[in-house]
Amino acid sequence: EVQMVESGGGLVQPGGSLRLSCAASGFTFSTYWMSWVRQAPGKGLEWMANIEEDGSAKNYVDSVKGRFTISRDNAKNSLYLRMNNLRAEDTAVYYCARERPGQLVALDYWGQGTLVTVSS
Amino acid sequence: QSALTQPPSVSGAPGQRVTISCAGSSSNIGAGYDVYWYQQLPGTVPKLLIYGNNNRPSGVPDRFSGSKSGTSASLAITGLQAEDEANYYCQSYDSSLRAVVFGGGTKLTVL
Repeated sequence: EVQMVESGGGLVQPGGSLRLSCAASGFTFSTYWMSWVRQAPGKGLEWMANIEEDGSAKNYVDSVKGRFTISRDNAKNSLYLRMNNLRAEDTAVYYCARERPGQLVALDYWGQGTLVTVSS
Repeated sequence: QSALTQPPSVSGAPGQRVTISCAGSSSNIGAGYDVYWYQQLPGTVPKLLIYGNNNRPSGVPDRFSGSKSGTSASLAITGLQAEDEANYYCQSYDSSLRAVVFGGGTKLTVL
């Protein structure tokens, strides 16, 4: 069974940092692109970033470029999102999602999400 | 402001057919990029409903169908059921933004 479990969310002050993790299982992690998507409370979905199978290619939405870094460790079947200089508007549930091969970009499995709250 | 525009809400009675529109532009849907649709039931994570404009993943009922024309796309739901009440999101890729983009979401209410 495909499963992704996010962790690392919590309350952080504006300007602070957090590192989110996503532990994947039930599929060959190293052969899939992976994405991070967030959803602010009561709002819609916003794609954040994605990373190629071997970690060599990374893409980001403009609003987080220079502040967020996506990475992965295929030996640990894990995806990460390092978030620096956090702002109130970064408050959201952050989901990791697997990308369906051959599509640009279909997110076929999602984790349960981890809540990040940026507040003083 | 989302690159893809959806109506905030639609409604229909059980058994009826409803459609949800997704308006894009020449840099996303109109550029030929595929459209995807997600269903998010209350309190749950999004679920891929349609991929590649009009394909259903295994397990998605054939009551759900997608279409694309020009710079727009649509999701149609026939034989509306109470369990279809959810938020629906369209998604594509935008070459100007160089990013994956979502519509703002449409809340479907089954009357």
